[in-house]
This record gives sequence, C-alpha cells and structure tokens, in this order.
Amino acid sequence: GAVVSQHPSWVICKSGTSVKIECRSLDFQATTMFWYRQFPKQSLMLMATSNEGSKATYEQGVEKDKFLINHASLTLSTLTVTSAHPEDSSFYICSAQGSGANVLTFGAGSRLTVL
Amino acid sequence: SQQGEEDPQALSIQEGENATMNCSYKTSINNLQWYRQNSGRGLVHLILIRSNEREKHSGRLRVTLDTSKKSSSLLITASRAADTASYFCATDYDFGKGTKLTVNP
Repeated sequence: GAVVSQHPSWVICKSGTSVKIECRSLDFQATTMFWYRQFPKQSLMLMATSNEGSKATYEQGVEKDKFLINHASLTLSTLTVTSAHPEDSSFYICSAQGSGANVLTFGAGSRLTVL
Repeated sequence: SQQGEEDPQALSIQEGENATMNCSYKTSINNLQWYRQNSGRGLVHLILIRSNEREKHSGRLRVTLDTSKKSSSLLITASRAADTASYFCATDYDFGKGTKLTVNP
C-alpha cells in the first residue's frame, strides 16, 4: 500500500531557530500534499495544500512566511517553521494524495517542541 | 473550516461491546472518510464511503451515510482493547474533532 514517510518524528529546538520537516511518498507520486497541525486533544487543522511545482495554498490564518512549504518533486514536500517560538510547539502531520486517488495517506507526524 | 463534527467526543466501553460514533457535516460532499489515530501518531485511513452509497463494511467496521441528514456513523463491532484510539471523519480535506474511544479489557 501507499506509504508516506515523515521526518523527523520529533525535534526540540531553541526559540528563534528554524526547523525543517520532510514528507516523502515512498511508493507513489504525490501530486498533492497537505500539511496539518494538531494541538493536544484536538483535531487536525489544515495549514496548507501544496501541488508539485507550484506555490502552496495556505488556509486562512496561517502565516505563509512563518510556515514555508516547498513541493519540489512528486515525492517530497517540506515544511519549514521559521524563527520558531514556543507557541509553534505542536504536532505536524503531512498527508499525500496521488493523481486520481480519493484517499489520503498520512505520515506518522512530527512533534515539534520549541524551548 | 471543519466540516465533520463527531459525537460523542469520548466513548468508553468494555471489550466485546460495539462502539458507535457519529459524524455530521455541513455542505454537500463527494465522499466521506473515517480515519483512526493512535495517540501521538499519524492517521490511518479506515474506510471511504461515496455520496451515492448508504452503507459500507470492512471487517468489523460498518459505516453508514445519510446525505439527507448530512450524517455518517462508524460502528465497530466486537471491540478489542487494540481499538483504543481517536477516530475522525473527514469530508474532502477537513477533519472533525474526533471521538476518543477507550476499550477496556
């Protein structure tokens, strides 16, 4: 079945630093990738949708300069949290969708802790 | 926006019992999906039901869809402790708040 690898699974960083999270589709080409954020005991909040080779579409309220998304290839999308602050601490999950597919395949998530 | 809204928010049952979770949504859909999330992990797709389907089965899972009421239900029969997780419904790419299911051994 379709597999999405997300890395790192957890990261701790100092306030002010930038953190990059990678999302890779291992056995299929992901024409669309989605980035979600999840606060404790809450649902996933869609942050942005990225299509390979084009700029990401951000949801209302998500700062695109804060959360940089790059989808340079059909198997890789990255989310960079720039100048991270403690309030950015969260669980970030990516998902990928192949061309013509209805379902999303999720990565295992990345837990970011900003000190 | 969050279309799907599950209820109950939390459900605690004994092993062997059935668990029913409900989901309501607001606008028209092409399909509705249910996902499972173990604590602190990514989501796993369980089942997809299309807007022209009324019921679908997959193993111990049974999903119903009522487009007139804009609602869906997920039934897990003969629950096991390993079914303990949060369950989310999703329409397009929006997720509900989820139901946290605890199955006690």
